[in-house]
Amino acid sequence: ETGVTQSPTHLIKTRGQQVTLRCSSQSGHNTVSWYQQALGQGPQFIFQYYREEENGRGNFPPRFSGLQFPNYSSELNVNALELDDSALYLCASSLGRGGVGEQFFGPGTRLTVL
Amino acid sequence: EDQVTQSPEALRLQEGESSSLNCSYTVSGLRGLFWYRQDPGKGPEFLFTLYSAGEEKEKERLKATLTKKESFLHITAPKPEDSATYLCAVQEGEGYQKVTFGIGTKLQVIP
Repeated sequence: ETGVTQSPTHLIKTRGQQVTLRCSSQSGHNTVSWYQQALGQGPQFIFQYYREEENGRGNFPPRFSGLQFPNYSSELNVNALELDDSALYLCASSLGRGGVGEQFFGPGTRLTVL
Repeated sequence: EDQVTQSPEALRLQEGESSSLNCSYTVSGLRGLFWYRQDPGKGPEFLFTLYSAGEEKEKERLKATLTKKESFLHITAPKPEDSATYLCAVQEGEGYQKVTFGIGTKLQVIP
């Protein structure tokens, strides 16, 4: 069984740039959620994708967008980067839409915005 | 607004000194409560899911319990390798798996 993987591991960008983060879900999982975790804070829900469609969104502006592909891998895109976007970005995969279920997290991508 | 509050924010224990971490929550309809362990710079590692008040789960030195307003993570005779941040999260609502996390309790176990 393959776990959740994310790329890249680390990324440094400057304010105003755009970034794309990638996630491969755990084998057999069809739901992917993205979280932002600032230093010393718990993960904050960005959005969730189920079978290629957005299936819920947290309190993040539209410059945070995503995609899910037929193989259930996913991308998180952030436009017009701001300094406050510096954080650990976590991808989590799970099985099923709306059901109660634990999420399995990847190792995260550390984004630094200068 | 849904809230998840964890206490204490940090806890320092001697090896073998048992203690409990608290997670209190206010959600309109709890569907599940999760405990995760997170090591520095890594993604959270799933520990337990609790669904209803009165439920208990155990894994090695950890035991999680749930009431209608809070959950406890009991750590019995901890070892230095138990040092980590322990995150509590709740799932509520229908239709999608919205999960709200607390800020965590940073546990340090000293040999």
